[in-house]
Amino acid sequence: SQQGEEDPQALSIQEGENATMNCSYKTSINNLQWYRQNSGRGLVHLILIRSNEREKHSGRLRVTLDTSKKSSSLLITASRAADTASYFCATAQNPNKLVFGAGTILRVKS
Amino acid sequence: DGGITQSPKYLFRKEGQNVTLSCEQNLNHDAMYWYRQDPGQGLRLIYYSQIVNDFQKGDIAEGYSVSREKKESFPLTVTSAQKNPTAFYLCASSRGQGGNQPQHFGDGTRLSIL
Repeated sequence: SQQGEEDPQALSIQEGENATMNCSYKTSINNLQWYRQNSGRGLVHLILIRSNEREKHSGRLRVTLDTSKKSSSLLITASRAADTASYFCATAQNPNKLVFGAGTILRVKS
Repeated sequence: DGGITQSPKYLFRKEGQNVTLSCEQNLNHDAMYWYRQDPGQGLRLIYYSQIVNDFQKGDIAEGYSVSREKKESFPLTVTSAQKNPTAFYLCASSRGQGGNQPQHFGDGTRLSIL
């Protein structure tokens, strides 16, 4: 079963603009992770945010977590054509397993 | 460079045939995972292993089998019992328990039916 649901399903922006993707989940979690997948490739880990954290940054990425609303957002600032990819959130309901959402397809036009 | 190697990149299966997908990691990670990805969907967990000689079924284990005889290797066999095997298969590993650690992924094997 899929725990996280990303929104929107697809997003198209111009280079230099910011991109925001959202993830909602249903049950309590230990942590939430964001991954990127380029077409035809494996996933690359971006950020892990624990349930007691509210915000985390990594370079041009900012992730927020609101456990009261069971939601997270990923913000990519000053987007580049190379950011074109699918982005997935994944939640850990137990220590052994991640459950992935269906992803947001981001297209950055140059 | 440390990483995960999946082979082959493309694989074709005939009716009634078992096929094995290879996954090798040199990250010295204890835990390894197999996921299936269908077009436009997220990843679904097939099997995972936290330690050598032990593995657990994931959410969609029917029609698949695995072994974990060595720390660095976690091959997946797609058996003839899996009636809809066409998908992109991804192997991953993590240093500790995969729900609490980042997972590192290989570049996948795309399996199709002949």
